[in-house]
Amino acid sequence: DQQVKQNSPSLSVQEGRISILNCDYTNSMFDYFLWYKKYPAEGPTFLISISSIKDKNEDGRFTVFLNKSAKHLSLHIVPSQPGDSAVYFCAARFGNQFYFGTGTSLTVIP
Amino acid sequence: NAGVTQTPKFRILKIGQSMTLQCAQDMNHNYMYWYRQDPGMGLKLIYYSVGAGITDKGEVPNGYNVSRSTTEDFPLRLELAAPSQTSVYFCASTPLAGQGVSDTQYFGPGTRLTVL
Repeated sequence: DQQVKQNSPSLSVQEGRISILNCDYTNSMFDYFLWYKKYPAEGPTFLISISSIKDKNEDGRFTVFLNKSAKHLSLHIVPSQPGDSAVYFCAARFGNQFYFGTGTSLTVIP
Repeated sequence: NAGVTQTPKFRILKIGQSMTLQCAQDMNHNYMYWYRQDPGMGLKLIYYSVGAGITDKGEVPNGYNVSRSTTEDFPLRLELAAPSQTSVYFCASTPLAGQGVSDTQYFGPGTRLTVL
């Protein structure tokens, strides 16, 4: 049973515009949420995270929003750059375990 | 500082063969994890360890074994390989939770395993 879901397998955005990647989860006990970026033939790399006690965290061009009542989080990238083209995974933590979504492939068109 | 390293990068096994995927980290992290990623899927946790001598099962442990004799190394053993174990395997490590860090995981580059 997939506890963390990314319903959009792919997303294309023009350079300079906003990219919005979405993630839904089912377990209300998750206490920490993370976004990872993955290039082909490489391991995921950490991008940004948010604690369940917050609703927003910002780091440069990247902002993560958490809506606990809707069990939904989103990653905003502004402005989008061609180098942002990658697969993005959201993940959630419960205890010592992390649960990952299936990923969204972002393409930023120059 | 090499971070998390994994060997081999690629491997082809025949059904019924065994092998060990190696994982090492030089960041003195207590927590280590093994994941598998199947095509079009997210990462699924196989096993994890919270310190030397302590391991526990994740979501998909069947067909695998682990050991953690040192802080640095966390090998994953496949016994009697099956085609269903064809996947990309990622190892990751995390500092001890609660030490004022973001608890993010640092991933290795992955091992691509094919079982024929």
